Amino acid sequence: KQEVTQIPAALSVPEGENLVLNCSFTDSAIYNLQWFRQDPGKGLTSLLLIQSSQREQTSGRLNASLDKSSGRSTLYIAASQPGDSATYLCAPQGGSEKLVFGKGTKLTVNP
Amino acid sequence: DTGVSQDPRHKITKRGQNVTFRCDPISEHNRLYWYRQTLGQGPEFLTYFQNEAQLEKSRLLSDRFSAERPKGSFSTLEIQRTEQGDSAMYLCASSLEVLAGGPREQYFGPGTRLTVT
Repeated sequence: KQEVTQIPAALSVPEGENLVLNCSFTDSAIYNLQWFRQDPGKGLTSLLLIQSSQREQTSGRLNASLDKSSGRSTLYIAASQPGDSATYLCAPQGGSEKLVFGKGTKLTVNP
Repeated sequence: DTGVSQDPRHKITKRGQNVTFRCDPISEHNRLYWYRQTLGQGPEFLTYFQNEAQLEKSRLLSDRFSAERPKGSFSTLEIQRTEQGDSAMYLCASSLEVLAGGPREQYFGPGTRLTVT
């Protein structure tokens, strides 16, 4: 059974700082991994999808890496802004169609 | 650009009542998913459809839960005899499979917040 852990659970940083969010998963037999952000009381917004054959994926100030063999992914956010404040969730997808989520990292970027 | 839509956005019901939620996926997407999220937790998978066929159901989906996607477009999730433990955010997502085994990015709707009193 896939289990996903995200560290840290919460993070507070000043505006402009670069930061890294960590995601680890127990079953390395995955096809994809998605990173999402979730604002309070809202649905999920897809940020990046990394295929199992890829090691990195970039979108704007976001860069996600994947080390499938060690069961790890990181989300790097450059030059953080107050608008980046949200909960960030990672979700690997294995042979089943379902995404398995961690509890997320709650990010607060202070002006 | 129409993303995934869900209706209603909020539902308050009394214990024992039945409720039904609707999800409209992105128009050309052939796969549709339901997840449930409780406070402080990540979403948990409930079920998914490919076109009109329900292909996988989680053990979380008790006999009181039923989902349909009658024409391979919108989907409904019904909860019968609601319990307080059913209070959660119910999220719908859709994806498009272009190539077998290819990347299947899931796009989520805004969710339906259910409160059972």
